[in-house]
Amino acid sequence: GQSLEQPSEVTAVEGAIVQINCTYQTSGFYGLSWYQQHDGGAPTFLSYNALDGLEETGRFSSFLSRSDSYGYLLLQELQMKDSASYFCAVKRGSTLGRLYFGRGTQLTVWP
Amino acid sequence: NAGVTQTPKFQVLKTGQSMTLQCAQDMNHNSMYWYRQDPGMGLRLIYYSASEGTTDKGEVPNGYNVSRLNKREFSLRLESAAPSQTSVYFCASSGYGSSGSESYEQYFGPGTRLTVT
Repeated sequence: GQSLEQPSEVTAVEGAIVQINCTYQTSGFYGLSWYQQHDGGAPTFLSYNALDGLEETGRFSSFLSRSDSYGYLLLQELQMKDSASYFCAVKRGSTLGRLYFGRGTQLTVWP
Repeated sequence: NAGVTQTPKFQVLKTGQSMTLQCAQDMNHNSMYWYRQDPGMGLRLIYYSASEGTTDKGEVPNGYNVSRLNKREFSLRLESAAPSQTSVYFCASSGYGSSGSESYEQYFGPGTRLTVT
């Protein structure tokens, strides 16, 4: 089996930096993905880490430590539109894009 | 490109009724997936299809069947709906990256909101 743990809620103000952590336990780990989902909407891909280290894409960065079974999503210069749910998901196996999702972190950005 | 489309957007069923959720993608992706999402939960994989003509069970396949009709279309059928199947259903697809290996990015449709009474 597998398990993923992430905080259920995080709040921050506009312009701030927030970090959403994800710890996982799984066999056959290949990588960690992050998805964003606005209320009622489709999840959209943010980032993927297969190797240890930091990946930066604009205001968003994602980090992975395979030895610690831990990753995080870092959101900088927060904007109101960043209010959404953020899901980490582990990729198991190399040949298929099967993902196992955490329960999600609801981020609320206040003005 | 429409991306991933799903029909219907909303559906209400009575217990025991059957229905098929439709999904199509126009990105020439090989792999397609069906997920369900319940309140406060992440997405859970119901079934997936790595290529036309192949399907496999995911985490929560009981009560569902799927058909990969062709490369574009992947349908999910509920033969005898139960209240526990009230959920939001998402279809997704993924293809190959520029390096030729399977892409890690999945593209999701807008979802079907199903209520079973």
